[in-house]
Amino acid sequence: AQSVTQPDIHITVSEGASLELRCNYSYGATPYLFWYVQSPGQGLQLLLKYFSGDTLVQGIKGFEAEFKRSQSSFNLRKPSVHWSDAAEYFCAVGATGNQFYFGTGTSLTVIP
Amino acid sequence: DTGVSQDPRHKITKRGQNVTFRCDPISEHNRLYWYRQTLGQGPEFLTYFQNEAQLEKSRLLSDRFSAERPKGSFSTLEIQRTEQGDSAMYLCASGTSSGNTIYFGEGSWLTVV
Repeated sequence: AQSVTQPDIHITVSEGASLELRCNYSYGATPYLFWYVQSPGQGLQLLLKYFSGDTLVQGIKGFEAEFKRSQSSFNLRKPSVHWSDAAEYFCAVGATGNQFYFGTGTSLTVIP
Repeated sequence: DTGVSQDPRHKITKRGQNVTFRCDPISEHNRLYWYRQTLGQGPEFLTYFQNEAQLEKSRLLSDRFSAERPKGSFSTLEIQRTEQGDSAMYLCASGTSSGNTIYFGEGSWLTVV
């Protein structure tokens, strides 16, 4: 069965520090992988996606993610975090436009 | 560029009342999805449409829930005889059958008191 695990419920980083949010997935075939960001009380905004090709994908707001098939991972990274990055981050897996499965999210706090 | 829009954004209702949410997808998108999200959780799939056809429903979608997309454009999600456990954010998303990405609206918050 398809599933997504985000091991870190909450992460706190200092502004300007680097960030890595972890995501592991379980999927029977080659997955389509996504990262979304959600600000309080808002919907989800797409940060980036991976379908095929280069395993390092760039997204909006300076985020990138790397697909590692051997580790079934799709971790999100940012070299220097800004206070405005504080939000909830969701990893998702899907295929052929049917169901999309989401992790439980990682809440990011940025301290000055 | 108009994204996915949802209405109302917030709804407070008494237990036992019926509520209806509306979703207008991105205009060229033929797929429309409903998700439910509770505090501290990720979105959970409820159902999706391709054009006007409802192609899949989750077991989470009890008999009190019904969704329609009569003309293949906007969709409604109705919850009958609301219960406190229905309190959540209901998210709508849209995409295309040829694409593999879905785009979300701002969500509709439901509080059942």
